[in-house]
Amino acid sequence: SQQGEEDPQALSIQEGENATMNCSYKTSINNLQWYRQNSGRGLVHLILIRSNEREKHSGRLRVTLDTSKKSSSLLITASQAADTASYFCATDANAGGTSYGKLTFGQGTILTVHP
Amino acid sequence: EAGVAQSPRYKIIEKRQSVAFWCNPISGHATLYWYQQILGQGPKLLIQFQNNGVVDDSQLPKDRFSAERLKGVDSTLKIQPAKLEDSAVYLCASSLLSPGFWSYNEQFFGPGTRLTVL
Repeated sequence: SQQGEEDPQALSIQEGENATMNCSYKTSINNLQWYRQNSGRGLVHLILIRSNEREKHSGRLRVTLDTSKKSSSLLITASQAADTASYFCATDANAGGTSYGKLTFGQGTILTVHP
Repeated sequence: EAGVAQSPRYKIIEKRQSVAFWCNPISGHATLYWYQQILGQGPKLLIQFQNNGVVDDSQLPKDRFSAERLKGVDSTLKIQPAKLEDSAVYLCASSLLSPGFWSYNEQFFGPGTRLTVL
């Protein structure tokens, strides 16, 4: 079963706007990761945030993590047409304080950025 | 740096036939994963190897799916016999894994094999 639930399922915006995607999960985690998938480049890792971190930035990406609410958000600022893709959150469950590198992916958010 | 290689890229078979997929991970990556991604869904882990040992195969349908990783490098995933519901993209990924609470686990994915079962 899928651990993460992304919201919204689809998002359509204009170039230059910001895009926010949310992810909720159910169990305790070691870290949470965001991936992007498009037909040209396959599935690509974007950013990883550990359970003891609350916010992380990478270029135009900003990820937040709220472990009390078991949720995360991915913000893409000043979006570009090239950002058009599916975005997935994936959780690395915390099994007694140890990570075994097993990721559970959500269903994904389809982002369309119109030029 | 060479990425994760997979072959074939596409495969069409009829139900009850068998099929095999091949994966060559990034050099030096001890951990290798096989995922199944059905259209419109996120990838689902089928099996995880650490070197040539299986770490997790809890979601692998063992009555028809099998996987091996000989010598801790290349891996093959086989389906025998295939069913219509096996139509999906099969993704291979690899990573460096440092066991422990603060381990880092970015996974690098191959292009996938798109399987169509008729």
